[in-house]
Amino acid sequence: GESVGLHLPTLSVQEGDNSIINCAYSNSASDYFIWYKQESGKGPQFIIDIRSNMDKRQGQRVTVLLNKTVKHLSLQIAATQPGDSAVYFCAENPGGFKTIFGAGTRLFVKA
Amino acid sequence: NAGVTQTPKFQVLKTGQSMTLQCAQDMNHEYMSWYRQDPGMGLRLIHYSVGAGITDQGEVPNGYNVSRSTTEDFPLRLLSAAPSQTSVYFCASSLVRGLGTEAFFGQGTRLTVV
Repeated sequence: GESVGLHLPTLSVQEGDNSIINCAYSNSASDYFIWYKQESGKGPQFIIDIRSNMDKRQGQRVTVLLNKTVKHLSLQIAATQPGDSAVYFCAENPGGFKTIFGAGTRLFVKA
Repeated sequence: NAGVTQTPKFQVLKTGQSMTLQCAQDMNHEYMSWYRQDPGMGLRLIHYSVGAGITDQGEVPNGYNVSRSTTEDFPLRLLSAAPSQTSVYFCASSLVRGLGTEAFFGQGTRLTVV
C-alpha cells in the first residue's frame, strides 16, 4: 500500500553540525514531495519541496535530495541551530489531492 | 493575514457527545482538508474538499462529517464521540495546482474523549 516511512524516529546533533533526516517512500507514482517542520504545540510548517523531475533542491540552510531509483528522500540542514529542534515530516503526493505523511523524525539540537 | 484558524484549541468530550471543530482560512484557497495526528504517527487524512460544495473522504473518515458551504470555512463534525477519536486535529488549506500543493496548517485542536 501507499506509505511514507522514516529510517530514524529521533536524531540528536550538536549545534553547528549538519543534520540529515531520511525518508523512504513506496509509491512510484508520487510526483511531488514536501518536508514539513512541526514545533511543539504548533501545526506543521512547510520547509521545502521537490518535484519528481529533480534530484536536488536547495533553500536557505536546507537541501532536499531525491533518489527515485531507491525511492528515498532526505533533508539536510546546514549548521543546525537550537531553533531547528522539532519534528520533521516528509510527505508525498501520489497524484490528485491526497498528501501522505510519514511518521516523523524528532530532531534534538544539543548546545 | 490570519492564515488558517482553528477553534477551539482544546476540548474534552464525554463518550457519545457531538461537537463541531471549526476551521477558517482567509487565503482564498480552494483546497481544504482535515487531518488527525496520533502519538508516534504521522498525519492521517480524514476528509478533504476541493471547493465549495465538494467534499470527499480521506483515509480515516468514519465517525466524522464535513461540509463546505463557503470557500473560507470547513467544519469537522464528530457525530458521537468515542475514546478512539482522542487526537490532535489539524485543518489545512492550499491552492489547487496541477502538480501537488504546499499546505498551510492551523494550530490544531487537542481533543480528549473520556
